[in-house]
Amino acid sequence: GAGVSQSPRYKVAKRGQDVALRCDPISGHVSLFWYQQALGQGPEFLTYFQNEAQLDKSGLPSDRFFAERPEGSVSTLKIQRTQQEDSAVYLCASSLADRVTGELFFGEGSRLTVL
Amino acid sequence: LAKTTQPISMDSYEGQEVNITCSHNNIATNDYITWYQQFPSQGPRFIIQGYKTKVTNEVASLFIPADRKSSTLSLPRVSLSDTAVYYCLVGDIRAQGFQKLVFGTGTRLLVSP
Repeated sequence: GAGVSQSPRYKVAKRGQDVALRCDPISGHVSLFWYQQALGQGPEFLTYFQNEAQLDKSGLPSDRFFAERPEGSVSTLKIQRTQQEDSAVYLCASSLADRVTGELFFGEGSRLTVL
Repeated sequence: LAKTTQPISMDSYEGQEVNITCSHNNIATNDYITWYQQFPSQGPRFIIQGYKTKVTNEVASLFIPADRKSSTLSLPRVSLSDTAVYYCLVGDIRAQGFQKLVFGTGTRLLVSP
């Protein structure tokens, strides 16, 4: 596809379950980002990849959150032992350049609801 | 990254020009100003970016005064489909840390018939 694709669009998990969210960036985009957006708030940075290297993971809220991009294209955000406070929209974005120049291309997000 | 302040919400009517002002008193010399738009259930979309004076594209104009302590996003003749949240971001786009885009809470624009 032409844009950033995320799946699933909606995920309901019981507290304590593990979830995995997938991101297919735009083909050829070097940089990939994950953001978390709580209801009524702006997106907040979680982590950043340049190709397969995770260069910044300072925004991950706890060690239950893990992201990978093993072949420098598709990325997976994994949340272990989900908690209710993990309920949010998880946005993936990609950029052609090896650093941000201002224009990130975002996917539609994966809405996670933890019961 | 410089802190920004925007109005929480704005109301307008179809066909009007809308100006959303963002304050960034602590903007640094190398900082650029970038605006994103977000519709419900979608990710943010880049609108426009500038450093000084005026930038115009097919969607909007960005006005930046000489002191660069504020900027104004101008949307000409808005339509109902311009109802969205608009985010102002300020930072050095060439700095390695800029990937941590700080969106804030944005300005919710509601366009009515």
